[in-house]
Amino acid sequence: AQSVTQLDSQVPVFEEAPVELRCNYSSSVSVYLFWYVQYPNQGLQLLLKYLSGSTLVKGINGFEAEFNKSQTSFHLRKPSVHISDTAEYFCAVSDLRYSSASKIIFGSGTRLSIRP
Amino acid sequence: SQTIHQWPATLVQPVGSPLSLECTVEGTSNPNLYWYRQAAGRGLQLLFYSVGIGQISSEVPQNLSASRPQDRQFILSSKKLLLSDSGFYLCAWSQTGVAGNTIYFGEGSWLTVV
Repeated sequence: AQSVTQLDSQVPVFEEAPVELRCNYSSSVSVYLFWYVQYPNQGLQLLLKYLSGSTLVKGINGFEAEFNKSQTSFHLRKPSVHISDTAEYFCAVSDLRYSSASKIIFGSGTRLSIRP
Repeated sequence: SQTIHQWPATLVQPVGSPLSLECTVEGTSNPNLYWYRQAAGRGLQLLFYSVGIGQISSEVPQNLSASRPQDRQFILSSKKLLLSDSGFYLCAWSQTGVAGNTIYFGEGSWLTVV
């Protein structure tokens, strides 16, 4: 069975500092990986996804993530954060064998708070 | 481009009253549709999903139900709300075999049962 672990429930950082949000997964088969962002009182917005190819994936708002198969990780990074990045971030994994997203597994979320 | 809308955005309902949340998707056909719930301070819980008209799968036992009367319409209902039904409800869609089954979410609906 698949699982997703977001190691940090909260990450406080200062504005313009770099940030890394950690995500580890477990699966016996190949997977697709996603990061979503949820701003207060809004739905989830897709930040980026890894389907195949280059292990470094660039997304919106200056975020990027690197797929590391040997470490089963998909950490999200941004070199310099802004106040507007304050939000909750969700990592998700989807099993290649399924045709719908009903089997997609979401992590418990990491709350990123930016201090001025 | 595809869009997804759900309404109402905010709802305050008394215990025992009925519920109807509606979601529609535009710009695509035969989408897979989903209802998630996000309780305060907790992660996402898949409630229902549908791969076609009239086809509903329930992931958790509860007093909620879902229906898909049209291809791009998904409705979440309850005959009698409980306090525990309070939360943030998210409708979502994906397309079979497209982009790794990437799932796209609506804006969400806040339900407070009082």
